[in-house]
Amino acid sequence: SAVISQKPSRDICQRGTSLTIQCQVDSQVTMMFWYRQQPGQSLTLIATANQGSEATYESGFVIDKFPISRPNLTFSTLTVSNMSPEDSSIYLCSVEEGTALYYNEQFFGPGTRLTVL
Amino acid sequence: ELKVEQNPLFLSMQEGKNYTIYCNYSTTSDRLYWYRQDPGKSLESLFVLLSNGAVKQEGRLMASLDTKARLSTLHITAAVHDLSATYFCAVDIPGTYKYIFGTGTRLKVLA
Repeated sequence: SAVISQKPSRDICQRGTSLTIQCQVDSQVTMMFWYRQQPGQSLTLIATANQGSEATYESGFVIDKFPISRPNLTFSTLTVSNMSPEDSSIYLCSVEEGTALYYNEQFFGPGTRLTVL
Repeated sequence: ELKVEQNPLFLSMQEGKNYTIYCNYSTTSDRLYWYRQDPGKSLESLFVLLSNGAVKQEGRLMASLDTKARLSTLHITAAVHDLSATYFCAVDIPGTYKYIFGTGTRLKVLA
């Protein structure tokens, strides 16, 4: 499976500021996803990022708050804008890979642990 | 609304015991995924179940899928401390590439 890295691995930020999280993959992938995992909770999909098109956001998430870039097939960024303590979460990127001829599977990066004071 | 529910949410068990985690989902989906997450870590893929009646086993873990009942189980045999983690099931939404994750089951195996 693809090797996925994220930067930063963790950060502590002040409210009102913005943080950009990077996701790098060691192979070209079409589909990349950004998730949020609030403390002690499950994963919630923020948006799907395809190269060459605008990201598709899920209900409850908007581009002004979570702008996403996907400049090529191996890289994406997620920005958390105008942060508040409620944004404290783990942010994970994932990629979809075809592990067999008839199905794909998502693999996850190591995550970015964000704390907003 | 599409839902994926797991039970129990928390499970504390003794080493050597057996137990089953249940994953119920409300959407029609033929694919179900199980992941493991250690504290402070990312998600590790455990099993991919692709069809009704599918059963997969790896070590002390065995996963099965009943698409008619919209139910998957993750059975733990003779638990050991190293299995302590949070386990998530996920289903993909037909016609999309998106997953819906279950609520998660936090497993603690006591030595």
